[in-house]
Amino acid sequence: AQSVTQPDIHITVSEGASLELRCNYSYGATPYLFWYVQSPGQGLQLLLKYFSGDTLVQGIKGFEAEFKRSQSSFNLRKPSVHWSDAAEYFCAVRTGNQFYFGTGTSLTVIP
Amino acid sequence: GAGVSQSPRYKVAKRGQDVALRCDPISGHVSLFWYQQALGQGPEFLTYFQNEAQLDKSGLPSDRFFAERPEGSVSTLKIQRTQQEDSAVYLCASSVGVNTEAFFGQGTRLTVV
Repeated sequence: AQSVTQPDIHITVSEGASLELRCNYSYGATPYLFWYVQSPGQGLQLLLKYFSGDTLVQGIKGFEAEFKRSQSSFNLRKPSVHWSDAAEYFCAVRTGNQFYFGTGTSLTVIP
Repeated sequence: GAGVSQSPRYKVAKRGQDVALRCDPISGHVSLFWYQQALGQGPEFLTYFQNEAQLDKSGLPSDRFFAERPEGSVSTLKIQRTQQEDSAVYLCASSVGVNTEAFFGQGTRLTVV
């Protein structure tokens, strides 16, 4: 069965520091992978997606993610975090009719 | 419209009451999803439509949950005889087709008291 694991429930970083959020997936075929961000009381906003091709994908707000098939990972990165990046981040894999989400990583940014 | 629109944003229901949640997808989007998100959790799949056809309802937790999309655009999620465990945020999403990204609405927060 398909599944998505986000090992880090909560991460705290200083503003201006780099960020990496981890995501591992379990899926037999080539996955369609996504990262979404959710601010309090809001829906999910798409940050970036991977379907095929270049394994390093760029997204909005300065985020990027790298697909590593050998590690079944799709980690999200940002070189310099801004206070406005504080939110909940969800990794997801789509297989046909469903999106499977991880449990999310809550990001706190300290000044 | 510009994005997925859900209404109401907030709904308080007394236990045993029926509720109806509405989703207006992005115009022209074939696929429509409903998800349930409990506090502090990731979204959990409820059901999927392709146009007006409900192709997957494997995530509906009980027969009290019912969804429809009669004309292939607007969708309604209905919950009959609400119970406290139904309290959650209900998210709707739409996508152009299969294996494309989905765009989510802001959700409806349902509180059953």
